[in-house]
Order: sequence, then C-alpha cells, then structure tokens
Amino acid sequence: GAGVSQSPSNKVTEKGKDVELRCDPISGHTALYWYRQSLGQGLEFLIYFQGNSAPDKSGLPSDRFSAERTGGSVSTLTIQRTQQEDSAVYLCASSSRPGPKETQYFGPGTRLLVL
Amino acid sequence: AQSVTQPDIHITVSEGASLELRCNYSYGATPYLFWYVQSPGQGLQLLLKYFSGDTLVQGIKGFEAEFKRSQSSFNLRKPSVHWSDAAEYFCAVGGGGSYIPTFGRGTSLIVHP
Repeated sequence: GAGVSQSPSNKVTEKGKDVELRCDPISGHTALYWYRQSLGQGLEFLIYFQGNSAPDKSGLPSDRFSAERTGGSVSTLTIQRTQQEDSAVYLCASSSRPGPKETQYFGPGTRLLVL
Repeated sequence: AQSVTQPDIHITVSEGASLELRCNYSYGATPYLFWYVQSPGQGLQLLLKYFSGDTLVQGIKGFEAEFKRSQSSFNLRKPSVHWSDAAEYFCAVGGGGSYIPTFGRGTSLIVHP
C-alpha cells in the first residue's frame, strides 16, 4: 500500500514569507509526528498528533511554527515569517497506534530553503 | 531524560568488510531501542528494534544489533557490507510514558568498492 507522502518535496522561499508543508500519513494510522532534520544534526521532534487528543507541541521551536491535522488524517505544518535558520528537511512519520514501541513510517521529507 | 549518542559521525568501510555502528543510550528503565536507515533523498526506514527478550536482534537487509545493558549500548552490525548499504543510520530510544523517541545524530556510512 501507499506509504507516507509529503509535499512539496522541495521549497525555496524568501525570508519573511509563510510556508505550508503537507503530510499524508498511511491510511488508518492514528499517530502522526513532525520532525526537523538540519544538516549534520539528528531528528528534532516538533509535534505529535494522536487521534482526537490534543497534540503534543512541546518540540515547536517558536510561535512561528504551528501544525494541524484535519479529520485525523492529513497534516499541515505552517511556518510563518520564515527565517534562514528554518532551512532544513522536515520529515513526517506515522504509526498505526500510539506508544513508544510502535514503528514509525517516514515520508521522504520536504527540503526547505529560506533565502 | 533519555538520550542517545552515536559517537561516529562518519564510518568508511570497504565493500565486503564487516561493519559495526555504535549507539549508547541513557535511560532510567528498560529502553525500547531502534535502528533506522535513511538512504539519500529518502525518509527513514526501520531496520530493527528491541523491547525485551533475546538481546541479539535480527533485522532486515542482513543487519543485527545487540543490546548490552551493562554498557548501555545497542550497536548495529553487519558481517559483509554491500555498496547499497551506504546511507545515514540513526539509533533511537523510547520508553516510559513518552510517545516521542529520541534520535541520535546519525552515522554516515561510506562504502568503498
């Protein structure tokens, strides 16, 4: 079946502009994660959605970052007033159930470049 | 707080040679441990995971990892590396009440012909 998909695959924007990144998780997966991967760095957790529960936003680096998940499926990560330090690969992952034992299935990522 | 250390940023091996990638974790209880691989331009793919039981875990693509509680390690091994194994490898630890795993910084594997 289809895996996790993300769009766009690449995004170039100017400093100060807003961007939206989209994630389509695997159908039926209730848990969804967003991570940021900067050059030479590991994965930095951003936000976690589980079903209809309130999301865990503890990893969002500033109030310029927000995310929503509509209908328990598609998620959008929005970065307002982008800065050059926001340049990174943004990865989305989903898992079939919540829990620390669950395998996460990752999308290919969106590579964001802020000029 | 849980943490993961991958001491090697880059590892270079010749095709056909054996491989060991190091992972050390810090966690108060029995951890849930994972190894993921990221090929260029791709997302991460699970290689193997450990929760309990046999401390030697077999994964996909001929990889295995051994959990050593006394050393707080979960090193990834492969007896004979193929050129297609060139990728970034991430160790992750999870557990307790948190649904958010902690990932290491990754080790980049370079395979020479």
